[in-house]
Amino acid sequence: RKEVEQDPGPFNVPEGATVAFNCTYSNSASQSFFWYRQDCRKEPKLLMSVYSSGNEDGRFTAQLNRASQYISLLIRDSKLSDSATYLCVVNGIEAGAGSYQLTFGKGTKLSVIP
Amino acid sequence: DGGITQSPKYLFRKEGQNVTLSCEQNLNHDAMYWYRQDPGQGLRLIYYSQIVNDFQKGDIAEGYSVSREKKESFPLTVTSAQKNPTAFYLCASTKGRARYYTFGSGTRLTVV
Repeated sequence: RKEVEQDPGPFNVPEGATVAFNCTYSNSASQSFFWYRQDCRKEPKLLMSVYSSGNEDGRFTAQLNRASQYISLLIRDSKLSDSATYLCVVNGIEAGAGSYQLTFGKGTKLSVIP
Repeated sequence: DGGITQSPKYLFRKEGQNVTLSCEQNLNHDAMYWYRQDPGQGLRLIYYSQIVNDFQKGDIAEGYSVSREKKESFPLTVTSAQKNPTAFYLCASTKGRARYYTFGSGTRLTVV
């Protein structure tokens, strides 16, 4: 079973659309959850952390359901600049000395079309 | 500004050669990591290091080697034993119990 699974994509949406990405994780002991954004041929960058109560950052809303081991990201009013690959990332393995390993999903590619 | 610097940005390797990818950080981060990314694939962990002079194998360590002689530096050597080294290599770091990683801009390695 894959540790972090995401929608296969790609998602092609018009500007202004609302798009949702889903992610499931297999390690029930996972403690921290993130969405990263990766532009073509660039490094991943932290988009937002995901909290149990759900959290919002402008047009982006993240939700976590621990019972179902499910994470989501909602993007409202899509912009051309939102085109990227979105990576679901889960922290679940303590690697020693108080730090952690992250496990990355394969990502879902989003293309926002004019 | 603090950050992680990877060099070179592009690297070409001949069959049978060893090459070393550089990763330097001035964030005073304790832990450093090397990942490999292939097209359409997720990031796979090669090696990681929590403290100076100590490092651990990740999921795909075969054909790679690392060292951690200084807190700031974590170079990765791709040896001739790595049969399919063409990939995008990413270095990351984190401090203590900080839960998210900061990434370098990556090195794109191609075998010619």
